[in-house]
Amino acid sequence: QVQLEQSGAEVKKPGASVKVSCKASGYTFTTYYMHWVRQAPGQGLEWMGVINPSGGSTHYSQNFQGRVTMTRDTSTSTVYMELSSLRSEDTAVYYCARRKNSGFDYWGQGTLVTVSS
Amino acid sequence: DIQMTQSPSSLSASVGDRVTITCRSSQSISNYLNWYQQKPGKPPNLLIYAASSLQSGVPSRFSGSGSGTGFTLTINSLQPEDFATYYCQQTYSIPLTFGGGTKVEIK
Repeated sequence: QVQLEQSGAEVKKPGASVKVSCKASGYTFTTYYMHWVRQAPGQGLEWMGVINPSGGSTHYSQNFQGRVTMTRDTSTSTVYMELSSLRSEDTAVYYCARRKNSGFDYWGQGTLVTVSS
Repeated sequence: DIQMTQSPSSLSASVGDRVTITCRSSQSISNYLNWYQQKPGKPPNLLIYAASSLQSGVPSRFSGSGSGTGFTLTINSLQPEDFATYYCQQTYSIPLTFGGGTKVEIK
């Protein structure tokens, strides 16, 4: 069965960086694009960007341009999202999600990133 | 960027009611519109993709319609497990964008 397993919760200080992992299993990793979406406490969903696991190409939201980097490791079927220069407003749950057809059909369980001094 | 506007932002309904949620896009997105259900502490769950296609495993009381700039999610005969927040999403062009959400509460 398809699973997206994300790394555990993180607590970071302002100005630091965080790297969240998302390990895929149950399907051919390079077949589907992987997206990252975040959700601040009590708020809606915000798309951050996408990576093509096959070639590694990426597209990022302008809201995170310059601060976000998405990478993948095909040997372990894992994608990574690194966010730098963290500020309190980056406190959120970060999700990876697989896109099949039009929608995101599988999501990771979410990783809470807390930014606090 | 394509703006997605959902209405209402919240509604109260009873078990057995028919519920309709509307989503409008700021420009035409053809049928690249998806609907998700999210419960507290859980990731979103895909209900409808490509405006009207029911995702595998989703009950048939959920349906979607529309194209261009106007879309609707309908829940026929609301069940207790349907009380949640619903989001629309356009996947027509990057940046992908979500509606603000509709919280469906128990009346």
